[in-house]
Order: sequence, then structure tokens, then C-alpha cells
Amino acid sequence: DIQMTQSPSSLSASVGDRVTITCQASQDITNHLNWYQQKPGKAPKLLIYDVSNLETGVPSRFSGSGSGTHFTFTISSLQPEDIASYYCQQYDTFPCSFGQGTRLHIK
Amino acid sequence: QEQLLESGGGVVQPGTSLRLSCAVSGFNFNNFGMHWVRQAPGKGLEWVAVISYEGSKRYYSDSLEGRFTISRDTSKNTLFLQINSLRPEDTGVYFCAKRRAIFMLTFGGGDALDFWGQGTMVIVSA
Repeated sequence: DIQMTQSPSSLSASVGDRVTITCQASQDITNHLNWYQQKPGKAPKLLIYDVSNLETGVPSRFSGSGSGTHFTFTISSLQPEDIASYYCQQYDTFPCSFGQGTRLHIK
Repeated sequence: QEQLLESGGGVVQPGTSLRLSCAVSGFNFNNFGMHWVRQAPGKGLEWVAVISYEGSKRYYSDSLEGRFTISRDTSKNTLFLQINSLRPEDTGVYFCAKRRAIFMLTFGGGDALDFWGQGTMVIVSA
């Protein structure tokens, strides 16, 4: 099974900061990497699919990049409503798998 | 407007069984594969199972040891998850989610979970 290692597990940043989260796959997953946002007590929400494609309605301050085994998720200018946990997910090989998550706090 | 509504959770004793349901509306249920994902209290997301759009193919997490069965009833626009021999470690919120790609029989090779229900809580405790 493919293991997804996400870092950091927790992150504190100020409004307006650029925030970056990384996700490492245990084997090549080409571009089959998605990012989800989950606010406390809510369902996850798909933000980005296939590394860099923004889901409809997702603000352009969110972006993704990478290929193969190393991937990056970026918020260009952190907003108060971005406080949430973020998860990467590989959908290359089943069973599909999630990273352990990054909890984002406001400093 | 896609909507998914889970039900069937509750407090149950170890060793018993439970059937979770996910009623969907706002999209053609017959055209999309469906997933179950769970989340233990304070923990991350754990993928559980997927079923193809027409119900012939299923795939499960290796960790479930054959205790889980995913199924669907197209006449009722409903997805199910049968859980047998419940254990305390099965405690958590169970989410159903729609597969993004239409008419796909293969698993893997790219896709995503584009709409999720709010989840149903399962607590396994004596």
C-alpha cells in the first residue's frame, strides 16, 4: 500500500502569510494527488484534484504543485476562514490513502 | 445541488453489527461510484471502501479484515455500509462521498471525492 507522509502536522501562521504544506508518497503516484480542507465538525471539502486543478468555486489563493512522489499545497495569503485541517490523498493505486493531516492555526 | 445524508450510527456494544445508510439527491446516483471514509475522534481521515457506479466492483481497506460490506440500492438512491463484529477501534464519524468521475469501473489512475455527507457517528462501547 502507498503511504502518504504529510508535513507539518501542525502550523501556526498570521493572516496574510504564505502557507505551504508538503506531502510525500512512498512510491510514484504521477499526478494523482488531491487536497481536501476540513473545518472543525464539518465534512471534508475537495479543494484541488490531480495536483493543481482547483475545484469549482475554490479561491485562487489555493494552489498545488508537484509530481511523482513530492507534492506541495500553498495558500498564497492566509485568510481567517482558512483555519482548518488539510489532507492530501493519493488516488493512483488502491487502496487510496490520505496523509495524516495538517492542522492550521492563526497566530 | 448534490446532497448526501448519512444515518444509522449510534452507540453499540462490541461484537454487534450496524448498517449505515447514505441517501443521495441532486445528482444521478446510478452514474457515480461511491466511497465510505471514516474518522476516529481527534484523528485523520481513513479511507474505508468504494463501490463502482453499477455495483459490480468493490474495494476495501486492508485493515477491515472482511468485517465491512459496501452496497448500493439504485431504486432508493442509497449507499450502505454493513459493519459486523464491531470493535472499539471502529468508533468514529463515517462519511459517504461521491466519486468525481462518471461511469468509471476502474479504481485508481486518478479521481477524487467531490461531494461528502456530514457523517454519522458510531460509538462502540460496552
